[in-house]
Amino acid sequence: SQQGEEDPQALSIQEGENATMNCSYKTSINNLQWYRQNSGRGLVHLILIRSNEREKHSGRLRVTLDTSKKSSSLLITASRAADTASYFCATPNDYKLSFGAGTTVTVRA
Amino acid sequence: EAQVTQNPRYLITVTGKKLTVTCSQNMNHEYMSWYRQDPGLGLRQIYYSMNVEVTDKGDVPEGYKVSRKEKRNFPLILESPSPNQTSLYFCASSHIIRGDTEAFFGQGTRLTVV
Repeated sequence: SQQGEEDPQALSIQEGENATMNCSYKTSINNLQWYRQNSGRGLVHLILIRSNEREKHSGRLRVTLDTSKKSSSLLITASRAADTASYFCATPNDYKLSFGAGTTVTVRA
Repeated sequence: EAQVTQNPRYLITVTGKKLTVTCSQNMNHEYMSWYRQDPGLGLRQIYYSMNVEVTDKGDVPEGYKVSRKEKRNFPLILESPSPNQTSLYFCASSHIIRGDTEAFFGQGTRLTVV
């Protein structure tokens, strides 16, 4: 069963613009993770935010977490063509990572 | 280099012909897992293993088997593949799934059963 749900399903932006995607989850969490998947390839871990954190930065990535609303957002600033990928939020629970359906981001040159 | 290696990357097989997809990790991770990814359904866990000789079912285990005889290897076995098992498969590993640790994924195996 999916724990996280990403929104929007797809996003198309111009190179240099910011991309924002959201994730909602259902149960309490210890942490929330974001992963990137380039077309048909394996997922790569981007960033982890703990339940007692509200915001975290890593390079051009900014993640927020609102445990009261059970939601998280991922912001990619100054997007590049190489950011074209699918992005998934994931929460660890019951001996697995539960993934949302993902947001597909297309960065146009 | 830390990595999870899956083989093969691509496989086309016929219904009923047993196959094994191998997965190996070089990070001494206790936890390993198999997922399948289908359009519109996201990633769903098939089986997981907490350590050697400890395996358990995930969300969609039917039609699959696994074994964990060594810490580094976690093969996925399809005894009698069917067309509904056509999918993109990923192996993942991490130290412990509930801690603040990231999961490492293999590059995926695209399986087509005809």
